[in-house]
Amino acid sequence: EIVMTQSPATLSVSPGARATLSCRASQSVNSNLAWYQQKPGQAPRLLVYGASLRASGIPARFSGSGSGTEFTLTISSLQSEDFAVYYCQQYNDWPPLTFGGGTKVELK
Amino acid sequence: EVELVESGGGLVQPGGSLRLSCAASGFTFSSYEMNWFRQAPGKGLEWVSYISGSGNTKYYADSVKGRFTLSRDNANNSLYLQMNSLRVEDTAVYYCARDYDVIHFWGQGTLVAVSS
Repeated sequence: EIVMTQSPATLSVSPGARATLSCRASQSVNSNLAWYQQKPGQAPRLLVYGASLRASGIPARFSGSGSGTEFTLTISSLQSEDFAVYYCQQYNDWPPLTFGGGTKVELK
Repeated sequence: EVELVESGGGLVQPGGSLRLSCAASGFTFSSYEMNWFRQAPGKGLEWVSYISGSGNTKYYADSVKGRFTLSRDNANNSLYLQMNSLRVEDTAVYYCARDYDVIHFWGQGTLVAVSS
């Protein structure tokens, strides 16, 4: 099973600032990496897949990068609606599909 | 518009059973693989099970293998998760989700609470 590790667990950011979230895989997942956003009481929402491809309707301020075992999700200028928990997920080698533990982006 | 609506959650005692349903609309259900995920209170996301469009291929997480059974009724655009021998650690919000491995569409979830 591929283990996904996200850091930091919590990121305190001011509105308008840049946020950088990290995700590491225990072995190479090539570019088969997705990012999801989840707000309290809501289902996850797909942001990025293929490590860097934005999903439909996702604003350009969200960008993904990386390949192999190291990945980054960058939010270029945080808006109030971006405060949420973010999960990375690998789909290179499954079952099982595996997720990182999440990074909570909170208001500084 | 794609819509996935879960039902069937509730409170059950350890060792009990529940059957979750997911009603799908807005797309050709039989053409899509489907998955279930779950999220324990205050915890992260966990994949539970997968089923192919025809229903012939199924995968299960080790944590539920032998206890949960996934099925689908393509004529009625419905997905079912039969959960037997439930444990306290199965307590979670269960999400029905469309697609093979990158999940573009999620239901809103149904809460399963296992407690005596």
